[in-house]
Amino acid sequence: DGGITQSPKYLFRKEGQNVTLSCEQNLNHDAMYWYRQDPGQGLRLIYYSQIVNDFQKGDIAEGYSVSREKKESFPLTVTSAQKNPTAFYLCASSIAGTVGNSPLHFGNGTRLTVT
Amino acid sequence: AQSVTQPDIHITVSEGASLELRCNYSYGATPYLFWYVQSPGQGLQLLLKYFSGDTLVQGIKGFEAEFKRSQSSFNLRKPSVHWSDAAEYFCAVGAPDDTGKLIFGQGTTLQVKP
Repeated sequence: DGGITQSPKYLFRKEGQNVTLSCEQNLNHDAMYWYRQDPGQGLRLIYYSQIVNDFQKGDIAEGYSVSREKKESFPLTVTSAQKNPTAFYLCASSIAGTVGNSPLHFGNGTRLTVT
Repeated sequence: AQSVTQPDIHITVSEGASLELRCNYSYGATPYLFWYVQSPGQGLQLLLKYFSGDTLVQGIKGFEAEFKRSQSSFNLRKPSVHWSDAAEYFCAVGAPDDTGKLIFGQGTTLQVKP
């Protein structure tokens, strides 16, 4: 079955270290997204990519970086510049175009804890 | 700018009772509207969506939602809640542009009493 795989499910890092979260999809979707979820704040968009080798900042991109070298993969790096990195991170994908063509499909998330 | 407000952070209902979760949006034109559900520690699952046409939309798991343009609302309803419905519910709005981005509300946590 097609879907989105995020790994690992739980990730622990020391403050000051960069960490990369994996997101892989086999839905043949062109567009991919990273959201951050904090209690009481809903989901906030970090970065998104509509095609390979291209991506755009979302609402809270500071302290994060991404790459899109393959259609299937959209890894997110949380850098040491991110002041509050502890959160639940969700990756999503959709068919390119408007949300009217394809709602977002979500992975099961990675919970990052930085101490 | 687009925004979504879910006025209720937590709601508790008894099993078998009816449910209504509120969602208000701010957008200049008719947006695309969605309701997602999230079980603890999991990703989000799409319950239903509204793009155009009939303002009462049916979704999975017995949920429905009604789009009311005059009230800028898209409330989610279920006639009889089951214990398995306990989860967090998110309303979202998407612009009819070519980015595919969604703006989410803060979420409503539903607790179901036996």
